[in-house]
Amino acid sequence: AQSVTQLDSQVPVFEEAPVELRCNYSSSVSVYLFWYVQYPNQGLQLLLKYLSGSTLVKGINGFEAEFNKSQTSFHLRKPSVHISDTAEYFCAVSASDSWGKFQFGAGTQVVVTP
Amino acid sequence: DVKVTQSSRYLVKRTGEKVFLECVQDMDHENMFWYRQDPGLGLRLIYFSYDVKMKEKGDIPEGYSVSREKKERFSLILESASTNQTSMYLCASSNDRTSVPYEQYFGPGTRLTVT
Repeated sequence: AQSVTQLDSQVPVFEEAPVELRCNYSSSVSVYLFWYVQYPNQGLQLLLKYLSGSTLVKGINGFEAEFNKSQTSFHLRKPSVHISDTAEYFCAVSASDSWGKFQFGAGTQVVVTP
Repeated sequence: DVKVTQSSRYLVKRTGEKVFLECVQDMDHENMFWYRQDPGLGLRLIYFSYDVKMKEKGDIPEGYSVSREKKERFSLILESASTNQTSMYLCASSNDRTSVPYEQYFGPGTRLTVT
């Protein structure tokens, strides 16, 4: 079985400042990793994913994440946030031997202020 | 674009009622999922289906059942709604795990209140 821990439940950040959202996972088999964003009163939208290959993954809206196998982490970063990045962010892991099942973290609420 | 639609955005039901939540996807995906989302708990898997008429329990199936009679439609049923089932319900779909990439695509959610 796999599990996901998002280390921060809420991250306040000023507009144009950088942000990092931390995600750690555990699994006995190889995994695929995902970050999703949820804007208020909406479903989840995929930001980026790591399936294989380069450990630095670039996604939409200027976000990127780095897969670190030795530290079992998949932290999400953005160098300069906008007010519109205020949302909840979810890290998810899918084991390579699963039926496409995902395990989601508890979420990190990002609040961007001017 | 993949489209996952859910029958209602907001629903208010009384304790003991039978509740049906419907989900439809238009991308011929094999896999479909039902989650509930609660503050501080993230998304928890209730049931999933990897083929028509096939279903598997997720992490929190108690009090729920599902139906998948057609590939594009996956229904969540609350046999006798209780107040602790007040939550946001999210449906998702994905293609077969052998077809990479296979991220999950989500519907807009149904906010269910049981009074």
